[in-house]
Order: sequence, then C-alpha cells, then structure tokens
Amino acid sequence: DTAVSQTPKYLVTQMGNDKSIKCEQNLGHDTMYWYKQDSKKFLKIMFSYNNKELIINETVPNRFSPKSPDKAHLNLHINSLELGDSAVYFCASSQGAGYTIYFGEGSWLTVV
Amino acid sequence: DAKTTQPPSMDCAEGRAANLPCNHSTISGNEYVYWYRQIHSQGPQYIIHGLKNNETNEMASLIITEDRKSSTLILPHATLRDTAVYYCIAAFRSEKLVFGKGMKLTVNP
Repeated sequence: DTAVSQTPKYLVTQMGNDKSIKCEQNLGHDTMYWYKQDSKKFLKIMFSYNNKELIINETVPNRFSPKSPDKAHLNLHINSLELGDSAVYFCASSQGAGYTIYFGEGSWLTVV
Repeated sequence: DAKTTQPPSMDCAEGRAANLPCNHSTISGNEYVYWYRQIHSQGPQYIIHGLKNNETNEMASLIITEDRKSSTLILPHATLRDTAVYYCIAAFRSEKLVFGKGMKLTVNP
C-alpha cells in the first residue's frame, strides 16, 4: 500500500482554470504538507497542516487553498491557474514537528 | 536555516562506498543535518539525520565533524538504484526543510 498517495499524477490544463490535487496518507500521521518543485528543481514547502489546522503558510498566493477534511487528507485547490504554476507538487506527511517527512510520488501540473 | 553547499555531481562505482560531502559552516547549535534523496521522477526519500553524533541506519551512515561545519553521508555499498539527487539540509525542524539543488550521484556499473 502506498503510504502517501496523490492524484492525479499528471495534469495538463489551460490558464485560468481551477484544479485540485488530492492527497491521502495511511500512516496515521498528524501532520501533512504540500511542497512545490519548480523547473529549476528547487523544492519548497507551501503549506503544513496539523490535525486539520494550518500551521505553515509560506507566502503562497491566495489562489492556492489547501483543504483538510480530516487528518488523513490534504487537498490542494488552485484557482485561476497561471503559466508559472507549472511544477511538480508533492504531498507529504509526518508524525509531527521534528519527525521524518514521507513524500508522495508527485503530481506534474502543466499549465498551457 | 543555515545554508548547505554540496558539489553538483559525483560518480561512484557499483559496490564501492559512496562518500557524499556537505558543508554547513554557518549551522547553529540546534540545527539538525538532514539527508534526503530524490530518484528520478519520484518523491524525496528520507535517508538519515543527526545533530552532533554520528548516525547509522539500514540505508547509510552520517558522519558529522566535531565543529559541525561539515558532514559526510556514506552509502557503504552503492548500487545502481542509489543513483539519485542527494540533498543535505540544515534545519531546526523537519517541517521547515528547504531543498537546494542537491548533488547528483551516479553509480556506474
């Protein structure tokens, strides 16, 4: 069983559209994250949730809205997609602060 | 978080030990050294982390110098599947990890 799974793996969409990426973890972790890896391969944290509460928001445009219906899920919704949003988005989870972070396989978003 | 410096790439022969260096001269006393790797088209994978003492697990060993300004990740018997980008990160807390460019390790047959 995949520990951290995210869907879709690949997504191609037009500018201006709204899209969502779903993430689920079956590790029983309390903390979940979204990371973005851009074209230069830099991987940066976007959001962190602990028990459905937002604890880290790294100056991400408000077009990006994470939603955590329960502690096993953290979905990423993106409004009014722009070309610069093209990237690989990684979901991750951990037991909490200071614990190992486990990453999903990534979702390749291409905005055309 | 302190900045880390790694060479951009390194080659290693299969079956030999791979020693991956990392400089973190500005690391503060309570920052950990984390190592992750990213195999092509996959999510980053945790390898090991440490504060002061050397650490070993089933994947690798981490050697941290006494002054903590540098460290070495050791893969004792590199395999082709160890070919990946390796990230050395200094951070207070794991959830604030910032991944740089990393170092591309190529294990050759």
